[in-house]
Amino acid sequence: DAGVIQSPRHEVTEMGQEVTLRCKPISGHNSLFWYRQTMMRGLELLIYFNNNVPIDDSGMPEDRFSAKMPNASFSTLKIQPSEPRDSAVYFCASNKGQAAYEQYFGPGTRLTVT
Amino acid sequence: AQTVTQSQPEMSVQEAETVTLSCTYDTSESDYYLFWYKQPPSRQMILVIRQEAYKQQNATENRFSVNFQKAAKSFSLKISDSQLGDAAMYFCAYQKAGNQFYFGTGTSLTVIP
Repeated sequence: DAGVIQSPRHEVTEMGQEVTLRCKPISGHNSLFWYRQTMMRGLELLIYFNNNVPIDDSGMPEDRFSAKMPNASFSTLKIQPSEPRDSAVYFCASNKGQAAYEQYFGPGTRLTVT
Repeated sequence: AQTVTQSQPEMSVQEAETVTLSCTYDTSESDYYLFWYKQPPSRQMILVIRQEAYKQQNATENRFSVNFQKAAKSFSLKISDSQLGDAAMYFCAYQKAGNQFYFGTGTSLTVIP
């Protein structure tokens, strides 16, 4: 069974450009999480979906960030416009949507904004 | 709000020795779950071990075990017979009943040959 799939693995873009990160959760998982990891702030939860509905987006930094989950097998995280301080590794994770189930993480997308 | 604290940013251990990584958490809930994740240089997050708060018995997975002290809100990870492949960043995580996760800031473990 394939794990959580993220694309791209690496993204380098210039300040002001739009960036879209993609995630495919594990089949059968109905919860999806987006995290951002930096040296300074560690692993931060950005947004959490359950059954394609955003449950908690309190971690989304500002209006430049948006996330969608149009169906159970796909989610996007968009940054527009991007800024150098958005440089980080972005992880997508999924689980079966109930407590006691661990999260399965994707390989992450390393974003560099110059 | 739930918080997870890992007070040791870095730890080191001699190969074949035992090391304990600390984690404390803050919660007012009685039903929750705790996890340790490992992140090697490849940056892939890997589950190491899981503990249900309602279970008094400490979880064990081969060389990995936990010391779960519910009243003290403490959840430490013990790695026995440390191996070079154990070198990684270790994250403690708290999962509330509503499926939201909270992660600590991580402990970087170095294994010395």
